[in-house]
Amino acid sequence: DAGVIQSPRHEVTEMGQEVTLRCKPISGHNSLFWYRQTMMRGLELLIYFNNNVPIDDSGMPEDRFSAKMPNASFSTLKIQPSEPRDSAVYFCASSRETSSYEQYFGPGTRLTVT
Amino acid sequence: KNQVEQSPQSLIILEGKNCTLQCNYTVSPFSNLRWYKQDTGRGPVSLTIMTFSENTKSNGRYTATLDADTKQSSLHITASQLSDSASYICVVSAGLEYGNKLVFGAGTILRVKS
Repeated sequence: DAGVIQSPRHEVTEMGQEVTLRCKPISGHNSLFWYRQTMMRGLELLIYFNNNVPIDDSGMPEDRFSAKMPNASFSTLKIQPSEPRDSAVYFCASSRETSSYEQYFGPGTRLTVT
Repeated sequence: KNQVEQSPQSLIILEGKNCTLQCNYTVSPFSNLRWYKQDTGRGPVSLTIMTFSENTKSNGRYTATLDADTKQSSLHITASQLSDSASYICVVSAGLEYGNKLVFGAGTILRVKS
């Protein structure tokens, strides 16, 4: 089992540029979660999908952030335009379903916006 | 307001000693409580998931307890090892009618010294 795969692992971009983060969940998992982690705010849930459908996006900070899950094996988190305050580690996690099953986290993407 | 508070913020112990981390929550309704271990530079890894009816759950040297009446949980680490050095995050899930909203604690940073 390859686990949750995220790419890129590191991204450095300039303010105003578009950033796309990618995630491949564990095969057979039908829930996918995007998180952001910073020193100041800790771990925050941005959005989660169940069966490719966005269920709760109340954690998405603003309209500059968007997430898609076109199929069961792929999801993207896009920031356009990026700002320095978006600098954080972004994690993707998947689970068999949202409630009581454990979530498996990917290695994260460290985003730096200069 | 749904909150999860963890204590202490950080802790240093000697290898071989035991320690206990605390988690108090005000999340309601309650679905489950999770403890995660996060090594530096890596994604969180689930240690335990406990539902309302479970009082104790063990995972090797890790034992989590839950008192749903007082809304408190603890994570006890027995015979600590250097590899236990990590951040430990308590996460509480609200009920299904609230979309299984996850509320995160800020984490306890544990350092085990030789």
